[in-house]
Amino acid sequence: DAKTTQPNSMESNEEEPVHLPCNHSTISGTDYIHWYRQLPSQGPEYVIHGLTSNVNNRMASLAIAEDRKSSTLILHRATLRDAAVYYCILILGSSNTGKLIFGQGTTLQVKP
Amino acid sequence: SAVISQKPSRDICQRGTSLTIQCQVDSQVTMMFWYRQQPGQSLTLIATANQGSEATYESGFVIDKFPISRPNLTFSTLTVSNMSPEDSSIYLCSVGGGTFYGYTFGSGTRLTVV
Repeated sequence: DAKTTQPNSMESNEEEPVHLPCNHSTISGTDYIHWYRQLPSQGPEYVIHGLTSNVNNRMASLAIAEDRKSSTLILHRATLRDAAVYYCILILGSSNTGKLIFGQGTTLQVKP
Repeated sequence: SAVISQKPSRDICQRGTSLTIQCQVDSQVTMMFWYRQQPGQSLTLIATANQGSEATYESGFVIDKFPISRPNLTFSTLTVSNMSPEDSSIYLCSVGGGTFYGYTFGSGTRLTVV
């Protein structure tokens, strides 16, 4: 599985946008980009995923670089509840056979 | 997305004993995954469990230590055998939608071995 690189930690102020970067320079054409987050004392939670085009859902937006070697998870208005570890993961494009390999992720701190 | 019920939520066990963790899914799924999260660390995949076949273990994990059962498409168990304090971790199960959908995780089993 291709490797991802994320900053160890980031800080944000409440109600401001947050841009969480992820580098995946060895991504293959069939790798999907998934983002998960883990709130304190909980299991990971799916946030968003994409292949080539930018994606939006109720939780966040995913901006994917044109060469797909990097992506950015965007939280439009951070809340205290968004404080978590965010994981960027690549999954080989084949239905229902991919396994999630977690890196260290980015610990997001949200300040009131 | 699938809903997973994982039991027990936590346990304190004596060294040398075994603990079986259960995961029940509210829908049929082809593959289930078991993870370990050691204190302060990220998640590490232990094995992938398919119904009707032997689980596939990741490097560093063996069947004798972490036997897995997958009797049907909605249920799986992970046993942590002959426990030592080093096994103190959170154990999580997960089911996936593959590449096209998000994966769902159980709430985890917090295991302390004394």
